[in-house]
Amino acid sequence: AQRVTQPEKLLSVFKGAPVELKCNYSYSGSPELFWYVQYSRQRLQLLLRHISRESIKGFTADLNKGETSFHLKKPFAQEEDSAMYYCAHPDQAGTALIFGKGTTLSVSS
Amino acid sequence: DSGVTQTPKHLITATGQRVTLRCSPRSGDLSVYWYQQSLDQGLQFLIQYYNGEERAKGNILERFSAQQFPDLHSELNLSSLELGDSALYFCASSGLQEVRYTFGSGTRLTVV
Repeated sequence: AQRVTQPEKLLSVFKGAPVELKCNYSYSGSPELFWYVQYSRQRLQLLLRHISRESIKGFTADLNKGETSFHLKKPFAQEEDSAMYYCAHPDQAGTALIFGKGTTLSVSS
Repeated sequence: DSGVTQTPKHLITATGQRVTLRCSPRSGDLSVYWYQQSLDQGLQFLIQYYNGEERAKGNILERFSAQQFPDLHSELNLSSLELGDSALYFCASSGLQEVRYTFGSGTRLTVV
């Protein structure tokens, strides 16, 4: 079954420290991968999609097919980055997104 | 404003009752998806509608049902409510053959 695994429920870092939020997926073929961010239990917002290879708010993510990973990285965390982060990819039929359980990032000064 | 509108924002009801959650998709989007977000289960896909037809089903209980109307708004009906149904219910919409979602702000359901 397709699965998105985010092994860390909570990641706490200090402001200015590097951040890496882990995401591993199980998917046969070439998935399209996404990171969504949710601030304070509000609506989810698209942060990144791997095919666009863009950097949003200083975050980047690289698809590693060998390790089936799509880790989200930022070199210097800011307090406003504190939020819940979800990794996702489409189901095999391509009809719906499957989300990981999410990682809460807490950035403190 | 994302363009996806969900009402109501909050709902408090008693066990055994039935509620209806409403979602209006972003203009031009034909697909509507419903998700349940709880603290222990994360985001669980419930069901998808495309242009009025059910397209995909996820972990949706038999007590729950949904439909999409000709004007493309969708309703999620939750019946015989249990305490464990307390959660945030999100609706998302997308265009044709695309899984780039736009999410609504959610409906927070509390069952007491």
